[in-house]
Amino acid sequence: DQQVKQNSPSLSVQEGRISILNCDYTNSMFDYFLWYKKYPAEGPTFLISISSIKDKNEDGRFTVFLNKSAKHLSLHIVPSQPGDSAVYFCAASDKAAGNKLTFGGGTRVLVKP
Amino acid sequence: DAGVIQSPRHEVTEMGQEVTLRCKPISGHNSLFWYRQTMMRGLELLIYFNNNVPIDDSGMPEDRFSAKMPNASFSTLKIQPSEPRDSAVYFCASSFEGPYTEAFFGQGTRLTVV
Repeated sequence: DQQVKQNSPSLSVQEGRISILNCDYTNSMFDYFLWYKKYPAEGPTFLISISSIKDKNEDGRFTVFLNKSAKHLSLHIVPSQPGDSAVYFCAASDKAAGNKLTFGGGTRVLVKP
Repeated sequence: DAGVIQSPRHEVTEMGQEVTLRCKPISGHNSLFWYRQTMMRGLELLIYFNNNVPIDDSGMPEDRFSAKMPNASFSTLKIQPSEPRDSAVYFCASSFEGPYTEAFFGQGTRLTVV
């Protein structure tokens, strides 16, 4: 049972435009959500997070939106840059279950110059 | 801090052999996680420790897999005997204990079992 899903395996966007990555979850106990970025042959690196008491968190070019009623979150990257080309993972945790993270399957983003 | 350090980076072994993957977490972190990444299953949690104690090993696929954390600065994941379907990238991650914390990942060990 996949509790965190990223339904788009890949996304291609022109440099300077907006990239929108989506993530859905099924476990209503999740209360903390994170996005990780992964380059080939490297480990995932933390990008941005949001707790369930918020609906938006912004950090520079990256903004995460959370819609609890829809059990949906999204990551917006504006403007997209070629260096953003990577695989992006959505992750979630439930404080009652400790700090382990459940990951989505990832979305590969390609930013074209 | 050098971050989470994993060794080896690459491991090629023959089916039936024992494989040991190693991890040094970030100093001061008291939670440690072992993840496995495959094309079919993505990033799946195998086991995690809090304060060197295994908390959840429900993701460990079979008895052939075992993990230890003898102290706060070292952990191992052992596969014995190894099988071709164990081929994957294995990541170790660490974090502070508690909710609303992010985990920091090592660079991974790419395991190939032939």
